[in-house]
Amino acid sequence: DAMVIQNPRYQVTQFGKPVTLSCSQTLNHNVMYWYQQKSSQAPKLLFHYYDKDFNNEADTPDNFQSRRPNTSFCFLDIRSPGLGDAAMYLCATSRDSGGANEQFFGPGTRLTVL
Amino acid sequence: GQNIDQPTEMTATEGAIVQINCTYQTSGFNGLFWYQQHAGEAPTFLSYNVLDGLEEKGRFSSFLSRSKGYSYLLLKELQMKDSASYLCAVMDSNYQLIWGAGTKLIIKP
Repeated sequence: DAMVIQNPRYQVTQFGKPVTLSCSQTLNHNVMYWYQQKSSQAPKLLFHYYDKDFNNEADTPDNFQSRRPNTSFCFLDIRSPGLGDAAMYLCATSRDSGGANEQFFGPGTRLTVL
Repeated sequence: GQNIDQPTEMTATEGAIVQINCTYQTSGFNGLFWYQQHAGEAPTFLSYNVLDGLEEKGRFSSFLSRSKGYSYLLLKELQMKDSASYLCAVMDSNYQLIWGAGTKLIIKP
């Protein structure tokens, strides 16, 4: 089945220790997104790529970086995680960027910062 | 600023009908989405409205009034598995999704 896969599902890191989250998709979609979602809050868009065209949201902290080496894979790097970065990180894809292009989400990676 | 408002929590009874409202103020409008999110899981797509009116899909229907900046999600014949958060999201003029915080729906037997 075509899908969005995220690894790991659960990640525990120490304060200040870099961590990388990965996402892959078999949908062959052009657009990939990284969201941060905290409990009972709306998903917050961190980055999105249209193909290899990178778009950084204005309020995404410099502590967060992203890479999309090819169409299928996307990575989220958190250079120095703080306690406030503990959250669910959701990867999503869409066929295109406009109109009725629903986003398909992976299962998420829940990040704990000790 | 851009804003999506939904009730924080609602409670309904199994077998009944519930309506979850969403009001929005965004810079432009390119459609409104409803997603379902079970606790600890990713959101899954339910519906998309871009024109005024009602879209029906099985037990779920979604309504849009662009002039009022208003939408609702109607769930019929409620089942226990419908207990989840329901997120309203609007695509703005830059084709960015503006998300609401979600409405947690609790279904009681």
